[in-house]
Amino acid sequence: NAGVMQNPRHLVRRRGQEARLRCSPMKGHSHVYWYRQLPEEGLKFMVYLQKENIIDESGMPKERFSAEFPKEGPSILRIQQVVRGDSAAYFCASSHYRDSLHTFGSGTRLTVV
Amino acid sequence: GQQLNQSPQSMFIQEGEDVSMNCTSSSIFNTWLWYKQEPGEGPVLLIALYKAGELTSNGRLTAQFGITRKDSFLNISASIPSDVGIYFCAGQNGGSQGNLIFGKGTKLSVKP
Repeated sequence: NAGVMQNPRHLVRRRGQEARLRCSPMKGHSHVYWYRQLPEEGLKFMVYLQKENIIDESGMPKERFSAEFPKEGPSILRIQQVVRGDSAAYFCASSHYRDSLHTFGSGTRLTVV
Repeated sequence: GQQLNQSPQSMFIQEGEDVSMNCTSSSIFNTWLWYKQEPGEGPVLLIALYKAGELTSNGRLTAQFGITRKDSFLNISASIPSDVGIYFCAGQNGGSQGNLIFGKGTKLSVKP
């Protein structure tokens, strides 16, 4: 499967725990974007990364949220001390370095209980 | 920040009817995109528009990039049941601003 791979598909966390969401970009893509989608809403941009570099994190909450895209391995979106309001679908997209045309993964649905 | 207004919010149509939805922005974009999202899945790209005034087709879908670069529309002709889903417009400026700004979506229901 050469598409964008996200895991897990579903994640349940208790309030205060940490959530780690993983994204492997499409083969040949070096740019990764994370978006959050609340029910009945469009996707909201969070962060844009290249390998080992954050390009734009203007959509990331200032606290508890962090993202990385290491030289080796998937991109990780990390949410510390989760709260009920963090419950949402989180989508990753990747693009080639020559353009910004996004290919999206199937998302991770985070539920905080 | 930039915002997109997408309308209508939802549509209930009969199979075979044509559909039209549009998106407007308070600021200009260099690229307009239309995506379709089905339940439990990520958005899938339908059409990408790169130049003001551009009119592009993909099968029964046709989309246009407005002359002012602040709007776009998507038409679906002769709708079929598998057209059901949520259609999103998105604007993009590229480069270090490679992220997409999404509308809130148009939910399409098709009655056989």
